[in-house]
Amino acid sequence: KQEVTQIPAALSVPEGENLVLNCSFTDSAIYNLQWFRQDPGKGLTSLLLIQSSQREQTSGRLNASLDKSSGRSTLYIAASQPGDSATYLCAVSGNNRLAFGKGNQVVVIP
Amino acid sequence: NAGVTQTPKFQVLKTGQSMTLQCAQDMNHNSMYWYRQDPGMGLRLIYYSASEGTTDKGEVPNGYNVSRLNKREFSLRLESAAPSQTSVYFCASSAQTGGTGELFFGEGSRLTVL
Repeated sequence: KQEVTQIPAALSVPEGENLVLNCSFTDSAIYNLQWFRQDPGKGLTSLLLIQSSQREQTSGRLNASLDKSSGRSTLYIAASQPGDSATYLCAVSGNNRLAFGKGNQVVVIP
Repeated sequence: NAGVTQTPKFQVLKTGQSMTLQCAQDMNHNSMYWYRQDPGMGLRLIYYSASEGTTDKGEVPNGYNVSRLNKREFSLRLESAAPSQTSVYFCASSAQTGGTGELFFGEGSRLTVL
C-alpha cells in the first residue's frame, strides 16, 4: 500500500523567503504526482501535476520536482507572500489508486 | 467556470437520519469520486465511479451508498447517520480513470451528526 508522508505538518516563514515543501512516498511505481493547495474551509485546488516520466513542472513562482527512485517530490515556492498561506497536499497516483499526504500547513509572516 | 458543485455546503443531522449529498461537474469528466477529510486522518476515498453506470468501493465505504445518475452527477447517501460520519465531504472529478488524471475538487460539504 502506498504511504505518502509530508513533514513537517506545519511551518512558518517570513515573507520573501523561498518555501520548500517535501513529499515522500514508499512505492516508486507511480503514474503521476499532484500538488494541491487548500485554503481554510475550502476545497483542494490543483497546482501542478507531474507525470512519472517528467522530472519537474513549473507554473509562475511554483516549481515541483520528482525523483521516483528516491520516492520524493519537492514543491518550491519562490519569494513567498502572505497570500501563499495555506495547506499544501501532495497526492501520488498508481495501481488505480490516489494516495494523499496529510499536508503541510504553511503560514507566511508579513 | 462552475467546475465541481456540491450541495449542501453545511448540514446538521441527528443520529439515525438520512440525507443525500449532491455533486455535479460540467467538465465532461468520466471519473467521479467522494472523499471524506478528517483532522489527523487526511483524505480518504469513500466511493468512486470510473464511468457512467459504474461505481466501486474505496477505502471507507461502510455506512454510505452512491449513485452515478448520469455523466454529470454523482450522489452520496447516508442511510442512517452516525456521529462517526461527522466530517467534511469532498466530491472530485477527473477526465481519466484509475486516479491517473488531474483531479478537480468541489468546495466541500460540512456534515455534523449529533
